[in-house]
Amino acid sequence: EVQLVESGGGLVKPGGSLRLSCEASGLTFSDAWMSWARQVPGKGLQWIGRIKSKTNGGTAEYAAPKEGKFIISRDDSKNMMYLQLNSLQIEDTAVYFCTTDDWRWDYWGQGTLVTVSP
Amino acid sequence: ETVLTQSPATLSLSPGERATLSCRASQSVSSSLGWYQQKPGQAPRLLIYDTSNRATGIPARFTGSGSGTDFTLTISGLEPEDFAVYYCQQRGSWPRTFGQGTKVEFK
Repeated sequence: EVQLVESGGGLVKPGGSLRLSCEASGLTFSDAWMSWARQVPGKGLQWIGRIKSKTNGGTAEYAAPKEGKFIISRDDSKNMMYLQLNSLQIEDTAVYFCTTDDWRWDYWGQGTLVTVSP
Repeated sequence: ETVLTQSPATLSLSPGERATLSCRASQSVSSSLGWYQQKPGQAPRLLIYDTSNRATGIPARFTGSGSGTDFTLTISGLEPEDFAVYYCQQRGSWPRTFGQGTKVEFK
């Protein structure tokens, strides 16, 4: 059974940073392309970006590249993906989900809440 | 960026009725359009991918159709567990985008 478990969310002040983690199990993680999405409470979904498998270059691509705002990385030795969030603003308050990046094997974690507040 | 516009925003129906949800793209996304269902406090669940392919375990009452810029999700015979919010997502152009959602609620 594929499981994705996010962690690292919490309360952070405007201008602060946070690193979210996504631990994967039940799949060959090193072969998986992975994504992050977010959802402002009570609102719709927003796709953040994805990271390819190492065999496909391991590069990250972003929906709206803002210099250093979001940084996606992975550690295949630990079956982990990360999302570094920088220069956080109140409007970045959301539940952040990690997902697999293939509709044929579409899995989502339960999400981790990031709250940006003074 | 491809904007996806879903309509209606809310659909009020009774169990057993047919639901027809629309998703219109601002430019062609070919057939790379999927549909997700989301219930409160849960992650989205993929129902349909590539316009008309049902994801694993999805009942046959969920049908997707369309092409290019106009897509439809049909739920033939609503079950009580189908009352939820539905999102379309396109992967035919960069970056991927979601529609704003259609809420299917009890009438």
